[in-house]
Amino acid sequence: EADIYQTPRYLVIGTGKKITLECSQTMGHDKMYWYQQDPGMELHLIHYSYGVNSTEKGDLSSESTVSRIRTEHFPLTLESARPSHTSQYLCASSPRGSGIRWDTQYFGPGTRLTVL
Amino acid sequence: GDSVTQMEGPVTLSEEAFLTINCTYTATGYPSLFWYVQYPGEGLQLLLKATKADDKGSNKGFEATYRKETTSFHLEKGSVQVSDSAVYFCAFYSGGGADGLTFGKGTHLIIQP
Repeated sequence: EADIYQTPRYLVIGTGKKITLECSQTMGHDKMYWYQQDPGMELHLIHYSYGVNSTEKGDLSSESTVSRIRTEHFPLTLESARPSHTSQYLCASSPRGSGIRWDTQYFGPGTRLTVL
Repeated sequence: GDSVTQMEGPVTLSEEAFLTINCTYTATGYPSLFWYVQYPGEGLQLLLKATKADDKGSNKGFEATYRKETTSFHLEKGSVQVSDSAVYFCAFYSGGGADGLTFGKGTHLIIQP
């Protein structure tokens, strides 16, 4: 089972501030993801990465950006936070499965962001 | 397009009752199927998975069988406990699109003592 960490767990911040949500995993997984979870619990993929220097946008458009300079680290940044960014953000990672399938994902505990 | 349909919640049961949470999927190809659980204030935890037809995934007393003919992966448990109260997500991986999991909307399960 993967060990995947997210900090901070909770963040309350004012409008216009720049924030970075941290995500790290210690299992050497190639692929990492960021999901946004709305109050209705539905999960939306906003970013993913196949490995170092790879970043892709997910199914849901997001004003956030990500970087992948190291295998274990996949931070998410909001340059100017707004109340519409208030949500739970979940990070996940996958080991490479059979062939090129990354089917099983392991999730971090999440960051609950509130923008006032 | 690809999608997962699961029971709307909340589902409220008494302790020791039998649990079924229905899940059906629409996917291209031959997906892997998953159930994840989210306890209050936490991230998602993998509960069980199945990767081919007629496989049964099981963990912590929960079971689900991959039914290709009905495109279903219903979650069952014979006797639920208060500690099973959580949100349960059905999901599949088919390797298409963003090459990630497609999730259902989640089912909130409440177990009363």
